[in-house]
Amino acid sequence: EAQVTQNPRYLITVTGKKLTVTCSQNMNHEYMSWYRQDPGLGLRQIYYSMNVEVTDKGDVPEGYKVSRKEKRNFPLILESPSPNQTSLYFCASSPTPPPTHYGYTFGSGTRLTVV
Amino acid sequence: AQKITQTQPGMFVQEKEAVTLDCTYDTSDQSYGLFWYKQPSSGEMIFLIYQGSYDEQNATEGRYSLNFQKARKSANLVISASQLGDSAMYFCAMREGLKGAQKLVFGQGTRLTINP
Repeated sequence: EAQVTQNPRYLITVTGKKLTVTCSQNMNHEYMSWYRQDPGLGLRQIYYSMNVEVTDKGDVPEGYKVSRKEKRNFPLILESPSPNQTSLYFCASSPTPPPTHYGYTFGSGTRLTVV
Repeated sequence: AQKITQTQPGMFVQEKEAVTLDCTYDTSDQSYGLFWYKQPSSGEMIFLIYQGSYDEQNATEGRYSLNFQKARKSANLVISASQLGDSAMYFCAMREGLKGAQKLVFGQGTRLTINP
């Protein structure tokens, strides 16, 4: 089945403890992106990647890192999480950048709580 | 400036009625795309419908149609004969141009509740 797999689905952590949210897609998509969703703000892009070893900042990159060493994987790293990073996170992929007719294929989301 | 505006934070509709969810957008590009996604309470994002700026016909997908009014920069989603399963959060999104901005820009969302 064609899909984007995110792990974990739920995560509660403490301020300052480094964490990684994994994202993997099995569709050979070139383009991958991370979004965060907050009430009243919709989804905002954190980082995106056009292809292997090509990444760039989105609208809200502060406090996050990413890497794209393989085409299928695009992990999101929070080096020192803070409570304002409590959010619902989505990984998304698309065959082409920018996404065309079918938009993104989204992962199931990761609900992160930082206490 | 907000690129995508959804002015209805919440809507309540009786089952079997038609629903219109509003979306206005702001862009100076001639080529762009508009999307609607559904997010049920389980959290996943489900693609519903797409409209390209050069498409002359309004997009339709089953019970979903997109009322595209280019001059007014609006892309409203119409759901015909609403069902209880349509209760969800709905997001309008836009892709600007073919190069440059490498993303979809999302609106704030509208929470739709279908009453039996």
